Amino acid sequence: DTGVSQDPRHKITKRGQNVTFRCDPISEHNRLYWYRQTLGQGPEFLTYFQNEAQLEKSRLLSDRFSAERPKGSFSTLEIQRTEQGDSAMYLCASSSWGRGSRSTDTQYFGPGTRLTVL
Amino acid sequence: AQTVTQSQPEMSVQEAETVTLSCTYDTSESDYYLFWYKQPPSRQMILVIRQEAYKQQNATENRFSVNFQKAAKSFSLKISDSQLGDAAMYFCALEYGNKLVFGAGTILRVKS
Repeated sequence: DTGVSQDPRHKITKRGQNVTFRCDPISEHNRLYWYRQTLGQGPEFLTYFQNEAQLEKSRLLSDRFSAERPKGSFSTLEIQRTEQGDSAMYLCASSSWGRGSRSTDTQYFGPGTRLTVL
Repeated sequence: AQTVTQSQPEMSVQEAETVTLSCTYDTSESDYYLFWYKQPPSRQMILVIRQEAYKQQNATENRFSVNFQKAAKSFSLKISDSQLGDAAMYFCALEYGNKLVFGAGTILRVKS
């Protein structure tokens, strides 16, 4: 059972450019989450999907951010017109929700994509 | 609002000794989950241990155990027989509304 994978691991871009990150969850996990982590801080929730449906978006997710999970498998996170404040580690996590005797949401994290905006 | 507070920015422990990392939280829910995650330098976040709030028994995973005090909203992590590989950032997290709320983390340094 392979873990959560993310691509690319590192991305350096210039202010104003668009970037897209990909996340492949653990197979058969129906939930997929995106978090953002700045240096020295804990991750902050951005959004999550159950299958292909985006169920919640944080206020942190401005209009320049969009996430998709078109077939309920992998997900992409796009940032348009990047700003220096977008520099952070973007973490993806997945979980298998509602399939056990008690719903739980143990999330397993990928290695992250570190974005640097110059 | 749901909050998680880790009051120790940094802790040190001698190899083979025991260390306790503190975490307090605030939630209005009666049923929830708490987690400790470990994030080694430049490596991905790994689940260390999970506690279900409705269970009074403290969770244990090998050398890792928790002291869960629901009334006090306290959830500390004890690491016994510390090893060099335990050096990492440790995050306490509360599951709330289908997402995790994290504390700011505690850096654990292990001295040989």
